[in-house]
Amino acid sequence: ETGVTQTPRHLVMGMTNKKSLKCEQHLGHNAMYWYKQSAKKPLELMFVYSLEERVENNSVPSRFSPECPNSSHLFLHLHTLQPEDSALYLCASSQDRNEQFFGPGTRLTVL
Amino acid sequence: GIQVEQSPPDLILQEGANSTLRCNFSDSVNNLQWFHQNPWGQLINLFYIPSGTKQNGRLSATTVATERYSLLYISSSQTTDSGVYFCAVEHVGSARQLTFGSGTQLTVLP
Repeated sequence: ETGVTQTPRHLVMGMTNKKSLKCEQHLGHNAMYWYKQSAKKPLELMFVYSLEERVENNSVPSRFSPECPNSSHLFLHLHTLQPEDSALYLCASSQDRNEQFFGPGTRLTVL
Repeated sequence: GIQVEQSPPDLILQEGANSTLRCNFSDSVNNLQWFHQNPWGQLINLFYIPSGTKQNGRLSATTVATERYSLLYISSSQTTDSGVYFCAVEHVGSARQLTFGSGTQLTVLP
């Protein structure tokens, strides 16, 4: 595998389900990110993880919970989601504050 | 927060035509990236260009940081250039946070 990979690529879940999105980067980078892309809206940063810090967008609801066990893996745990959370979730990585590289995304549908 | 505006929002071209996409931002930035999003959602890096000019094949980009804008030039467009082009900036003082514009939807007709 090369670059940034994400699984699953598509996910359909009910509002009472719990699921997790996975991201893995094979670039040796030291920072990882979760973004949300809703229809007709710009990409929105949700979370940043780096060696020095974790940053989160204060507008992200608590039903989204990130986990970064090491510099190569990033998870987004989902629980009790709402239909308006349906979107494309994109993971990215970078070395320090340099160019960010994106994975292919997980297209999430909440019924 | 910083505002990022892209223009035009939509652009339709005939194959072989040239185009210029613009990105304006409201404050100083540490870096600026241009991306192409393909129909499957993948964001493809085009340029990392906080300032100056870069060229890659038929594409080139110029960022004038002091005047807070960047331009993406596409020459001799091809149907495979279709998709959404995003500009994203990292605001000075932000913690690695990229702020994206709303994108330019480009359609290249055969």
